[in-house]
Order: sequence, then structure tokens, then C-alpha cells
Amino acid sequence: GAVVSQHPSRVICKSGTSVKIECRSLDFQATTMFWYRQFPKQSLMLMATSNEGSKATYEQGVEKDKFLINHASLTLSTLTVTSAHPEDSSFYICSASSKPPDTDTQYFGPGTRLTVL
Amino acid sequence: AQTVTQSQPEMSVQEAETVTLSCTYDTSENNYYLFWYKQPPSRQMILVIRQEAYKQQNATENRFSVNFQKAAKSFSLKISDSQLGDTAMYFCAFFTSGTYKYIFGTGTRLKVLA
Repeated sequence: GAVVSQHPSRVICKSGTSVKIECRSLDFQATTMFWYRQFPKQSLMLMATSNEGSKATYEQGVEKDKFLINHASLTLSTLTVTSAHPEDSSFYICSASSKPPDTDTQYFGPGTRLTVL
Repeated sequence: AQTVTQSQPEMSVQEAETVTLSCTYDTSENNYYLFWYKQPPSRQMILVIRQEAYKQQNATENRFSVNFQKAAKSFSLKISDSQLGDTAMYFCAFFTSGTYKYIFGTGTRLKVLA
């Protein structure tokens, strides 16, 4: 149980284009989903937290107009990197937590490697 | 502010031996949760073990166990009978409903040697 999928696993795009990454909870309803960015050999950096049906809460320094997050249902959240540039190249990971009382544990997707040329 | 510190950037252990990874944290909260996650080369984050701060008993999951010292704000992970598949980056994480997000440590890269 508690499986989270991400699609695509890898994406290469040209500078200036937009890329959408999907995060799905496959066997549970995710009241909250989280988006992280991970640079090589570093820890995970939280970008934003999203709750189903409401606007995402972005961490300080994360541009909300650049990283658009939509949490349209209890099983799906999307991250859209708009007008991508080479510095946006990174590994993006989503996670999801369930309803109370299990809201403390996050289950992670396998990640998406984004390369912007 | 809450912080999580993993003071061992890299460690290695012989197969079948025991290794302990350290984690300390700082918080003024009384109710919180602590986690160890494993990130193998595939980069999939895998939950290893979870500890509720209000429980004095140390959590165990098969070969994995923790030494939770609440007063010292210490949360170490012990891996017994290490296996080659344990080779990974290990992250300690702290969660409180006050902030509703994880605070991760910087990670410890563990290599199990054959």
C-alpha cells in the first residue's frame, strides 16, 4: 500500500518551453501533496505544499508563477515548470500524505529528472 | 526553528556487520514524529522507520532499529546484519503538525562492502 507514482520519469525540453509533471497516489487519498527539488548529492528542498482544492503554499524563494502547482483531486497533483531554463534542470520529487490519523507520514514518488537544453 | 543534523556525511560497513547512523534535532515542540528514509541509487525515497515522540519505546523494523533519546534530542538508526542492498543515502526527517512539513537532515551516504 501507499504507492505514489510520478510521470514522466525523465524529460528533456528546450529552453522557454513548459513542462508538466504528474504525481498520483495510487491506493490512497492524498489530502496533502508536497513537491521537492533535489540537487546532486544534496538533501531534498521543499518547494511547495498543496491541499486538494486549494492554492498551494510555496516556500520562501520559490517563484509561484514559474512553478505552477495544481491539486485537482485527492489522487493527483501536477507541477508545471513554465518557461523552463537550464537552471531549472534538476530532480523533482513529489510526496503525499493521507488523511488523519496518518497525516504525519509522507510517501514519495520515484522522481522526475528534468533536463532543460 | 527546527533543525536536523546528520554529522556523518559518509560511512561504510562490512556486509553482515552492524552500523549506526546518527541524527540530532532541535525543537521546542513536544509532539512530533521522526523518520529515517533511505534513498538508493534509483533515487526512490523509501520509508525505513517512524518514531512518535510521545512513545518511549524505540521503533524497530526487522534489521532496522532506532535509539530515540528525547531529552538529548537524538535519533540514531542501527542497521544490523548489513546487506549490499542497504547501500544508499539515508535521511533523517522531523515532522510536527505545527509546521506540517518535513525538515530533512543533509543525509549520510552508507556503503556496504562485500
